[in-house]
Amino acid sequence: AQSVTQLGSHVSVSEGALVLLRCNYSSSVPPYLFWYVQYPNQGLQLLLKYTTGATLVKGINGFEAEFKKSETSFHLTKPSAHMSDAAEYFCAVSDRPLGTYKYIFGTGTRLKVLA
Amino acid sequence: DVKVTQSSRYLVKRTGEKVFLECVQDMDHENMFWYRQDPGLGLRLIYFSYDVKMKEKGDIPEGYSVSREKKERFSLILESASTNQTSMYLCASSFDRAGYGYTFGSGTRLTVV
Repeated sequence: AQSVTQLGSHVSVSEGALVLLRCNYSSSVPPYLFWYVQYPNQGLQLLLKYTTGATLVKGINGFEAEFKKSETSFHLTKPSAHMSDAAEYFCAVSDRPLGTYKYIFGTGTRLKVLA
Repeated sequence: DVKVTQSSRYLVKRTGEKVFLECVQDMDHENMFWYRQDPGLGLRLIYFSYDVKMKEKGDIPEGYSVSREKKERFSLILESASTNQTSMYLCASSFDRAGYGYTFGSGTRLTVV
């Protein structure tokens, strides 16, 4: 069965510092991987996704993530944090038995940006 | 832009009431999903549907049912609300296409008292 682990339920960074949010997955088939962001009292918004091809994927708001098969990881990074990046971030992996595109979500990482 | 609309942002219901949460999407997506979100537990799948009148149980279906009479609408029903169903409920939809990604609604925060 597929699963997702997000290391660190809370991460704090200073404004302008590097953001690194960790995601590891387990999957018996080539995965599709996603990062979503949730701002307070809102639904989830897709940040970026890896399906096939280039392993470094760029998303919205300056975020990017790299798929590393050997490490079963899909960590999310941003070179310079902004106050507006404060939110909760979810990593997800696809679970595609028989064509039903059901995703497995991690438990989330809440990012705090310090002035 | 695809829109997924959940009928209520906040709801307060009494224990034992029958509760309907409505979700409508406007982009002809085949798949629709209901999740609940609780602190420290992330998103847990309640039910999903990949076609009209089709439904599949997710990981935590107990105490819930669903209805999908039209492609654009997917309803979550709490037959007899209980306090442990107090949560944020998120609806999502997607094309039946690998790697497409979900589009989420804004969520309904349900409090059962």
